[in-house]
Amino acid sequence: AQSVTQPDIHITVSEGASLELRCNYSYGATPYLFWYVQSPGQGLQLLLKYFSGDTLVQGIKGFEAEFKRSQSSFNLRKPSVHWSDAAEYFCAVALILTGGGNKLTFGTGTQLKVEL
Amino acid sequence: EPEVTQTPSHQVTQMGQEVILRCVPISNHLYFYWYRQILGQKVEFLVSFYNNEISEKSEIFDDQFSVERPDGSNFTLKIRSTKLEDSAMYFCANGGETVNPPLHFGNGTRLTVT
Repeated sequence: AQSVTQPDIHITVSEGASLELRCNYSYGATPYLFWYVQSPGQGLQLLLKYFSGDTLVQGIKGFEAEFKRSQSSFNLRKPSVHWSDAAEYFCAVALILTGGGNKLTFGTGTQLKVEL
Repeated sequence: EPEVTQTPSHQVTQMGQEVILRCVPISNHLYFYWYRQILGQKVEFLVSFYNNEISEKSEIFDDQFSVERPDGSNFTLKIRSTKLEDSAMYFCANGGETVNPPLHFGNGTRLTVT
């Protein structure tokens, strides 16, 4: 069964500093990988996704992530964090269902705090 | 950008009551999903829906749960007889126009069962 591990439950960074959120996955085939962000009281917003091709993917809000098959990782990065980036970040892997569609398995999330 | 809209944002109900959570997904997208997030826990898959029928469901999605797309626009999740452990945030999601993974999530309905 597929699984996702986000080893950091909480991360605090200073505004303007760089950020890397870690994500490791376990999946038998080539994965579809995702990062979502959730602000308090809000839904899940897709930051970026990897399906195939270039292993460095660009997303919204200046985020990027790199798929490393050898390390089973899909870490999220941002070169300079803004206070508005404070939120919870979820990594997810998609399992292709026999009936079509996909089932996302989420990590436990990383809560990002930004210090001014 | 098109949005997935969920109503109500918060629903409080008594144990044993029926609740219907409503979603207006992006209409020309193929797959529809419900996920839930119990406070402090992971987001969990409940069900996927395609071509007006369930295509997959999780072990959580037992006989107390049902989904419908009654009028071609709304997408509902019904819980027939709520239990305390059904208290959670419920998210509706759409696949993309040409790809299937849930890309667009609604803001969720917080269900509180007392």
